[in-house]
Amino acid sequence: GAGVSQSPSNKVTEKGKDVELRCDPISGHTALYWYRQSLGQGLEFLIYFQGNSAPDKSGLPSDRFSAERTGGSVSTLTIQRTQQEDSAVYLCASRKSGGALRGDTQYFGPGTRLTVL
Amino acid sequence: KQEVTQIPAALSVPEGENLVLNCSFTDSAIYNLQWFRQDPGKGLTSLLLIQSSQREQTSGRLNASLDKSSGRSTLYIAASQPGDSATYLCAVSLYSGAGSYQLTFGKGTKLSVIP
Repeated sequence: GAGVSQSPSNKVTEKGKDVELRCDPISGHTALYWYRQSLGQGLEFLIYFQGNSAPDKSGLPSDRFSAERTGGSVSTLTIQRTQQEDSAVYLCASRKSGGALRGDTQYFGPGTRLTVL
Repeated sequence: KQEVTQIPAALSVPEGENLVLNCSFTDSAIYNLQWFRQDPGKGLTSLLLIQSSQREQTSGRLNASLDKSSGRSTLYIAASQPGDSATYLCAVSLYSGAGSYQLTFGKGTKLSVIP
């Protein structure tokens, strides 16, 4: 498709289970971002991938969170041993270039709403 | 640490009114500032992007200004329409090292335009 897609759109899980969230960026976009939007909060940066460079993981809230980007395209965000405070909307965005081209905007997917019971 | 504040948190106006949304940020060393729109259950849509060297950007009925030195931006919406009802988010881009540019978002202003 033409835009960023994410799956699933909704995920309900039990506390302690692992979950995987998927992001398909726009074809040709080298930069990929994950954000988290909790109820009543702003978007919180989680992790950033740029080409083959080491990802910027500075936003991951704990070691239960990890992400991969295979082949420079699809990305998977994994949350292990989920907790109720992990409940949020997880948004993925891609950008055409991740370097000094400041004019490139990020294109967001529709998000995955995660509910941990 | 960069903090972005948006005022008001919510705004309700009658159709046809002009309105202003405000955004302030604490670290003026930004690379750009963006205004996004978020509709319920959907992702974010970029409305306007202002480079750090620019003062304003316009798109249709929207005009965004940037005063980097004072850490402020405004989004002006002219002749508001019910279809403008959404949450508007302000975000600033900072260089975080190793070629990484991060966006820091405000919590948004929820706009309701009443027919």
